[in-house]
Amino acid sequence: NAGVTQTPKFRVLKTGQSMTLLCAQDMNHEYMYWYRQDPGMGLRLIHYSVGEGTTAKGEVPDGYNVSRLKKQNFLLGLESAAPSQTSVYFCASIRVNTGELFFGEGSRLTVL
Amino acid sequence: AQSVTQLDSQVPVFEEAPVELRCNYSSSVSVYLFWYVQYPNQGLQLLLKYLSGSTLVKGINGFEAEFNKSQTSFHLRKPSVHISDTAEYFCAVSDSGSTLGRLYFGRGTQLTVWP
Repeated sequence: NAGVTQTPKFRVLKTGQSMTLLCAQDMNHEYMYWYRQDPGMGLRLIHYSVGEGTTAKGEVPDGYNVSRLKKQNFLLGLESAAPSQTSVYFCASIRVNTGELFFGEGSRLTVL
Repeated sequence: AQSVTQLDSQVPVFEEAPVELRCNYSSSVSVYLFWYVQYPNQGLQLLLKYLSGSTLVKGINGFEAEFNKSQTSFHLRKPSVHISDTAEYFCAVSDSGSTLGRLYFGRGTQLTVWP
């Protein structure tokens, strides 16, 4: 049981480049989330999805777009990367009956 | 929106000593409370949670936490720590009326256990 899988795990971008982070979960969870983690800041919610075809903004959505075309996948896109987007990105999904979030191992993104 | 304060950014302790990691949140409305642990270069995993019922919650690895509604606190405790407990610990809060899974995280407490 793989749980939540994120790809890629590491990426270096130049300012202005674009990229997509892929999150896949095999637990049939409806709700999925993208967080970013910065030193001394904890985790902050970027976007989330409550089901296939739906997305919503979290606390820090600017500069990011998301899509949930399939229930098991949640994509996070950066159209024009900025150094301020250097961070570790975590995807998560939730087991509704217990409220437990399951996290991927993270994707470390550096924007030069 | 909730605000979560973890009062200590770093907590160094010796092995087999007791430890308390402190967490306070801003709102007194009905909340769900969580502690997550993050080992180096890994994602977060659930340590314990409070959804309702008994205010003393027991989790994995011998950790427990107590929900105190009047003080809006959810402090994490362990009576005797091991070197393997060295990790970063995050307190998280969700309003019971908000979108499920929309958690507000504290900034984290790095627990370092010395031999």
